[in-house]
Amino acid sequence: DAKTTQPNSMESNEEEPVHLPCNHSTISGTDYIHWYRQLPSQGPEYVIHGLTSNVNNRMASLAIAEDRKSSTLILHRATLRDAAVYYCTLYNFNKFYFGSGTKLNVKP
Amino acid sequence: DTAVSQTPKYLVTQMGNDKSIKCEQNLGHDTMYWYKQDSKKFLKIMFSYNNKELIINETVPNRFSPKSPDKAHLNLHINSLELGDSAVYFCASSQERLGRGYTFGSGTRLTVV
Repeated sequence: DAKTTQPNSMESNEEEPVHLPCNHSTISGTDYIHWYRQLPSQGPEYVIHGLTSNVNNRMASLAIAEDRKSSTLILHRATLRDAAVYYCTLYNFNKFYFGSGTKLNVKP
Repeated sequence: DTAVSQTPKYLVTQMGNDKSIKCEQNLGHDTMYWYKQDSKKFLKIMFSYNNKELIINETVPNRFSPKSPDKAHLNLHINSLELGDSAVYFCASSQERLGRGYTFGSGTRLTVV
């Protein structure tokens, strides 16, 4: 069912920007791109979403490729609290399709 | 105040038993969901209710039965538990159907022995 592919893990230094990539080559025109993150022993937490244009909010930025077949979640300054599993998901008809996510490790 | 709360947080039970997991949201959302996260961390939707009406029912064994007494509550009842049912079950809610974020609960870790 997973329609997204992400690297299994990434590492970043604290206070540096992080770019988390996601491929979704089979995306349909009505699929929204959502990002969630999951801290240990917690439920997923909404981060950001978009359809075609790049999006910014207080947590992150989302850059969407022109053909929409890939996207990148950008954390502008990683903190230790950003260490989590980040899921890129597609949303359509009231359903999310979650992949296996990227485990982000942030080094002090 | 917890937005989406699930009980219990942990549930250990024997094969063949029947158990329930409760979920309540105080966000005023009109849609609620159950997701299952397996040992490989994949999250898969099981059910969705909108204003007490079932709108999504994925390929889930009929031993699993959701019940929504009102739009703030969505409970999950599981009959004849099997070893393969061991997983973390997440409840979630949302206000609009399209393109909006969900709010997830903190999960119920079910272990069947």
